[in-house]
Amino acid sequence: GQQLNQSPQSMFIQEGEDVSMNCTSSSIFNTWLWYKQDPGEGPVLLIALYKAGELTSNGRLTAQFGITRKDSFLNISASIPSDVGIYFCAGQGAQKLVFGQGTRLTINP
Amino acid sequence: NAGVMQNPRHLVRRRGQEARLRCSPMKGHSHVYWYRQLPEEGLKFMVYLQKENIIDESGMPKERFSAEFPKEGPSILRIQQVVRGDSAAYFCASSLVADPTYEQYFGPGTRLTVT
Repeated sequence: GQQLNQSPQSMFIQEGEDVSMNCTSSSIFNTWLWYKQDPGEGPVLLIALYKAGELTSNGRLTAQFGITRKDSFLNISASIPSDVGIYFCAGQGAQKLVFGQGTRLTINP
Repeated sequence: NAGVMQNPRHLVRRRGQEARLRCSPMKGHSHVYWYRQLPEEGLKFMVYLQKENIIDESGMPKERFSAEFPKEGPSILRIQQVVRGDSAAYFCASSLVADPTYEQYFGPGTRLTVT
C-alpha cells in the first residue's frame, strides 16, 4: 500500500531555533498536508499544498510541495514552547489521507 | 459551530466484548472518515462513509469491524469480540464536500483499551 516516510522521527532543540522536517513517498499525491497533534487530541491542519512546486507560509511555518509530487518539507522558524508536539505529513489520494509516522518535537527552554 | 465530537473519549473493554465508538460530524458535513492510530505511529485510514453509504472500506479489517452512518444520528464504528491488538486511538474526521481542497476536520479521538 501507499506509504510515507517522514524524518526525523524526533527532534530536541533549543527555544528560538529553526526546525526542518520532511516527507517522501513512493507514490504521487495531488495534495500534501501537514498536521500537528497535541497529546490526547486529534490532528489539526497547519498547511495544505495543492500544486507541485508550491511554497506556502502560515505565520512561522513554511511548507513546500515537491516538484515530483512525491515529497514535501515543513520548516518552523524561531521555535517557541507551544510548538512542542507531533507533526505529521499526509498525502491525500482520492478521499483518504495517508499519514507519515510523525516527527516528535521537544523544545528545551 | 461545534467541531467533530466523539464519544466516549476513553473506553475499556475485556477481550471478547463489543466496542461501539460514536462520531458526530461537524454541522452540515455529510462525509465521515475513520482512522486508527497505534502508539508511536501515524494514523491509518479505515473507512469513508457518506450518509447511509459506505464509499471506501479498504482499510478496515474484514472481520469483527463494521461502520455505519445512518440518515439520522452519529456514525458508529463497531468492533466485535475485541482483542488486545485492537487497543488504539480511533479518530473520526468529517468534511463538507468529498474534494481534496476541503479540509477533513478531526475529532479528539476515542482511546480503546482492551484488557
